[in-house]
Amino acid sequence: DAGVIQSPRHEVTEMGQEVTLRCKPISGHNSLFWYRQTMMRGLELLIYFNNNVPIDDSGMPEDRFSAKMPNASFSTLKIQPSEPRDSAVYFCASSQITGTGYSFGAGTRLSVL
Amino acid sequence: TQLLEQSPQFLSIQEGENLTVYCNSSSVFSSLQWYRQEPGEGPVLLVTVVTGGEVKKLKRLTFQFGDARKDSSLHITAAQPGDTGLYLCAGALNDYKLSFGAGTTVTVRA
Repeated sequence: DAGVIQSPRHEVTEMGQEVTLRCKPISGHNSLFWYRQTMMRGLELLIYFNNNVPIDDSGMPEDRFSAKMPNASFSTLKIQPSEPRDSAVYFCASSQITGTGYSFGAGTRLSVL
Repeated sequence: TQLLEQSPQFLSIQEGENLTVYCNSSSVFSSLQWYRQEPGEGPVLLVTVVTGGEVKKLKRLTFQFGDARKDSSLHITAAQPGDTGLYLCAGALNDYKLSFGAGTTVTVRA
């Protein structure tokens, strides 16, 4: 089991640029989550997919953020245009049965200059 | 404002000592999870507690869920340097949404 795989691990970009973060969940897991972690706000849920369908995107901060899950093995989180306040660590997590604990990826550390 | 308050925020102890981390809320949760996060990595699930009053043991770690399912504690016996990390509690708000505490940073000195 390779675990949840995220890429890139680090991303440095300039304000205004488009950023795309990628996630491959654990095979067989039907729930996928995108979280953001900052010192100020801790871990926050951005969006939740179940069976590739977005169920709850109430945590997506602005229209600049969008997420897709075209199939069971791949998801993207896009920020366009990026701003310095988007700097954070973004985690993808997956779960086979919701409520029983999630498997997190190693995260993408995003720095927007 | 965090729905779950963790205390203490930081804890530094000597190898071999015991420690307890607390997670408190005024809300009732259907279940509560504990995670440990090491620098540069994602949180790793340690345990899920579901029943009020439940106690679970994982080697030297003991987890307790409060009777009213509003609070939880994590106790580590004879801490080792490998126990160093950020400990996060997370309460289930519904069947998929978790509310995370701010975390307790534990440092175990050799």
